[in-house]
Amino acid sequence: EAQVTQNPRYLITVTGKKLTVTCSQNMNHEYMSWYRQDPGLGLRQIYYSMNVEVTDKGDVPEGYKVSRKEKRNFPLILESPSPNQTSLYFCASSLAGGTNYGYTFGSGTRLTVV
Amino acid sequence: AQKITQTQPGMFVQEKEAVTLDCTYDTSDQSYGLFWYKQPSSGEMIFLIYQGSYDEQNATEGRYSLNFQKARKSANLVISASQLGDSAMYFCAMFHFGNEKLTFGTGTRLTIIP
Repeated sequence: EAQVTQNPRYLITVTGKKLTVTCSQNMNHEYMSWYRQDPGLGLRQIYYSMNVEVTDKGDVPEGYKVSRKEKRNFPLILESPSPNQTSLYFCASSLAGGTNYGYTFGSGTRLTVV
Repeated sequence: AQKITQTQPGMFVQEKEAVTLDCTYDTSDQSYGLFWYKQPSSGEMIFLIYQGSYDEQNATEGRYSLNFQKARKSANLVISASQLGDSAMYFCAMFHFGNEKLTFGTGTRLTIIP
């Protein structure tokens, strides 16, 4: 089944403890992105990647890191999480951005930082 | 700067009626794509429909159609014959080919009343 797999689905952590949210797609998509969703703000792009070893900042990159060493994987790293990073996170991939193929989203990761 | 505006935070519609969800966008680009996504209470993001800026005909996908008015910079989603399962949050989003960014609106929560 074609899908984007995020793990974990739920995570509660403490301020300052490094964490990684994994994202993997099995569709051979070039484009991958991370978004965070907050009430009243919609989804905001954190980072995106057009291909292996090519990443760039989105609208809200502060406090996050990403890497794209393999085409299928695009992990999101929070080196020192803070409570304002409590949010619902989505990974998404696309064969060709901005076409009627659309983006395929993962199921989301609900992160709480206390 | 690219911006998507959804002015209806919430809507209530009687089952079987048609519903229009508003979306306006702001961009100086000539080439862009417009998406609508559905987010049910379970949280996943479901791709509904896509319209390219150069597409002359309005996009349709089953009960969904996109009323694209380029001069007015609007891309309203029309759902015909609404069903209880249409109750969800709906997001309009714009893709820019230049910077590969997908920009989302703040969403409209649609509730279908039996």
